[in-house]
Amino acid sequence: GESVGLHLPTLSVQEGDNSIINCAYSNSASDYFIWYKQESGKGPQFIIDIRSNMDKRQGQRVTVLLNKTVKHLSLQIAATQPGDSAVYFCAEKLSGTYKYIFGTGTRLKVLA
Amino acid sequence: DAGVIQSPRHEVTEMGQEVTLRCKPISGHDYLFWYRQTMMRGLELLIYFNNNVPIDDSGMPEDRFSAKMPNASFSTLKIQPSEPRDSAVYFCASSFRATNEKLFFGSGTQLSVL
Repeated sequence: GESVGLHLPTLSVQEGDNSIINCAYSNSASDYFIWYKQESGKGPQFIIDIRSNMDKRQGQRVTVLLNKTVKHLSLQIAATQPGDSAVYFCAEKLSGTYKYIFGTGTRLKVLA
Repeated sequence: DAGVIQSPRHEVTEMGQEVTLRCKPISGHDYLFWYRQTMMRGLELLIYFNNNVPIDDSGMPEDRFSAKMPNASFSTLKIQPSEPRDSAVYFCASSFRATNEKLFFGSGTQLSVL
């Protein structure tokens, strides 16, 4: 029979526009969050992180926002470039452990 | 630093055979993780070690899977006997908690069990 796999949501963005990728995390006690980028055939690569005592953190061209009330994390990429095309994962670290749980991922496609 | 090094990069084997995946973490890192990635289930944590000691192996799917870390610079994930449903990409990651908690991933081992 046909196998059912994860359906990765896809975000298509015009080159130069800003991208916003969203993630709902599962555990209200999670104390640390990371965004990873995964290109085809490669391992996940760290982009930016944020601790639960913060609600915003900025990096180079990227910003992470954390809303603990609704358990929501977002990654904003400014001036999206073709090299940003990849699958993006959020990960949460369970408080009191060193256990990271990954979201299902979002595919970002940058249109020229 | 060379980063997390995994070998082999690709492994094709027949059902019933033993498979051993290898990982060399970043030097000085005290945590090591094994993850499995499939289209069906995404990235799943299998097991993690702290200072070579297994801390949480609740993600190891069955007794057919075992992981060891004989020293700070080497870990193995073994599947015996392998089954077609074990086909996946297996990632190793390491981190150094004293300075930060980021996970650094290797390039993965693509395992195909026929």
